[in-house]
Amino acid sequence: GESVGLHLPTLSVQEGDNSIINCAYSNSASDYFIWYKQESGKGPQFIIDIRSNMDKRQGQRVTVLLNKTVKHLSLQIAATQPGDSAVYFCAENIGRGGSQGNLIFGKGTKLSVKP
Amino acid sequence: DTAVSQTPKYLVTQMGNDKSIKCEQNLGHDTMYWYKQDSKKFLKIMFSYNNKELIINETVPNRFSPKSPDKAHLNLHINSLELGDSAVYFCASSHGTANTEAFFGQGTRLTVV
Repeated sequence: GESVGLHLPTLSVQEGDNSIINCAYSNSASDYFIWYKQESGKGPQFIIDIRSNMDKRQGQRVTVLLNKTVKHLSLQIAATQPGDSAVYFCAENIGRGGSQGNLIFGKGTKLSVKP
Repeated sequence: DTAVSQTPKYLVTQMGNDKSIKCEQNLGHDTMYWYKQDSKKFLKIMFSYNNKELIINETVPNRFSPKSPDKAHLNLHINSLELGDSAVYFCASSHGTANTEAFFGQGTRLTVV
């Protein structure tokens, strides 16, 4: 299944399938990106990050792809499990000069995994 | 061990009241943040403190005043609460501010009635 983030905020997939969550970021000068997972009633939790000098990074069952040309970020979850059900946010680090930056969050995509 | 802890978890109060939310981190981080999450799950940064000094203050009404007594604490005081202040407020911390992940607390659900 695939989500286009802002336009399809809910993604429903079958357990065992792969999930792809997409995110369009705003600032071409952003140099660091993070995917967060937020379960109901909890704070966002770090999943994986990627720096702008990379276009792909893999973790355990997750892969982040970065396309700087079109300012697009995606999170791929392999063999999606019920425990993956959550809201997923992409965040970009926008520098404010020097080393001072802050994380700007996208609007989030809700992932629902059907058993 | 809780890394970033906020109190209270839930807060229900009347319009016009003044309330505070406390945040503590035991990660040894030098930067702390307050984020507001609205009913549509949109997360927006409010404040950022680095080594007890304010470095980011987004467009937030001056009824909101953060206080950082030391690097491990960043409290949020809100005066004259309004209905629109109802949201979930998240505290977070990080090591530095550039190219680094932020660790979030569990959130404080504020309901103004």
